[in-house]
Amino acid sequence: QKEVEQDPGPLSVPEGAIVSLNCTYSNSAFQYFMWYRQYSRKGPELLMYTYSSGNKEDGRFTAQVDKSSKYISLFIRDSQPSDSATYLCAISRAGNNRKLIWGLGTSLAVNP
Amino acid sequence: GAVVSQHPSRVICKSGTSVKIECRSLDFQATTMFWYRQFPKKSLMLMATSNEGSKATYEQGVEKDKFLINHASLTLSTLTVTSAHPEDSSFYICSAYPTSANTGELFFGEGSRLTVL
Repeated sequence: QKEVEQDPGPLSVPEGAIVSLNCTYSNSAFQYFMWYRQYSRKGPELLMYTYSSGNKEDGRFTAQVDKSSKYISLFIRDSQPSDSATYLCAISRAGNNRKLIWGLGTSLAVNP
Repeated sequence: GAVVSQHPSRVICKSGTSVKIECRSLDFQATTMFWYRQFPKKSLMLMATSNEGSKATYEQGVEKDKFLINHASLTLSTLTVTSAHPEDSSFYICSAYPTSANTGELFFGEGSRLTVL
């Protein structure tokens, strides 16, 4: 079983839709959870970072962590064509271990 | 957020030559930097962890003599692809986190696309 599972998509939605992106992980030792956005031929950009169960909101983005189910989500409200990108989840263990375990990334297309 | 700069963003070279890619943390010090490789439509693959003032730690299957890493200062790490071959063509990305931060938050460079002819 992979440490992080993420459906690669592709996911295609109309502009204004609510987008739900998800990852599952297998080891409860992972304590830090991140979502990155990557545009084509660019480096990943950190979108959301959290280390506790529950929701964290930033503008149109909401990150949700359910440690009991080992399930993390990223919601995008009022999606825009500029949100079209690949979204990668990443997790790491507690403490100072910055070695990230990555999901495959989900390719999202928001159609005008 | 913190800024990580990578240079060059794109490089084309002949087979057999060596190519150096630089990764700089512009507004913070980074004891540790990470080098990734990414194939088209694939996730990031960690190649090595670069430690300031000491040898890099390579992931299993990554040839350390092929991919030379030097982390000479708290703001600069370099990756040299030696005797490059077409199969080394890829997107190379570095990342770093502020030494002073006690979180898992990483910041990434823009990536360097290497094409070996």
